[in-house]
Amino acid sequence: DTGVSQDPRHKITKRGQNVTFRCDPISEHNRLYWYRQTLGQGPEFLTYFQNEAQLEKSRLLSDRFSAERPKGSFSTLEIQRTEQGDSAMYLCASSQTGGFEKLFFGSGTQLSVL
Amino acid sequence: SQQGEEDPQALSIQEGENATMNCSYKTSINNLQWYRQNSGRGLVHLILIRSNEREKHSGRLRVTLDTSKKSSSLLITASRAADTASYFCATDTNAGKSTFGDGTTLTVKP
Repeated sequence: DTGVSQDPRHKITKRGQNVTFRCDPISEHNRLYWYRQTLGQGPEFLTYFQNEAQLEKSRLLSDRFSAERPKGSFSTLEIQRTEQGDSAMYLCASSQTGGFEKLFFGSGTQLSVL
Repeated sequence: SQQGEEDPQALSIQEGENATMNCSYKTSINNLQWYRQNSGRGLVHLILIRSNEREKHSGRLRVTLDTSKKSSSLLITASRAADTASYFCATDTNAGKSTFGDGTTLTVKP
């Protein structure tokens, strides 16, 4: 399968714990995006990378959230000191610059904070 | 807040009928895209329409764009039970990211 893959698919954690998610984009795609989605809502932009450079970070993203894409390939999203309000589906997408930003999404990581 | 707003929020039709959903947005755009999402899964790209285009077709899908009204519509003809999903519009500006609306949930009854 050469699509976008995310790991894990599901994560249950206790409030206050740190969690890390991984995204492997389509190999030739240089842009990688993180979105968050809650039930009944559309995906909400968090951040995106072009190659290894983080070009934009949403103002909604608190300093408990950090994302990296160290070699311009896979990316990680870490949430420190999780809160119940962080419970959501975290979606990763990739695209090729110049491809009119058609996004290819992974299946997401469902986070539940107890 | 989200750039796009879909209407209606939910739509229920019989198999074989057509489904129309609308999207309105607030600022000037480069492109508008429609995506589909099955429950608990990621989004799948359906169709893209550029700001200088007015209508586009792909199989049973027809998308229109009216930039003067800042609105778009997605028509699915001859719907099937397998079309049951949530449909989202996403707008692309010079900001480099896609901004999604809250979607229309379509239920097609067999």
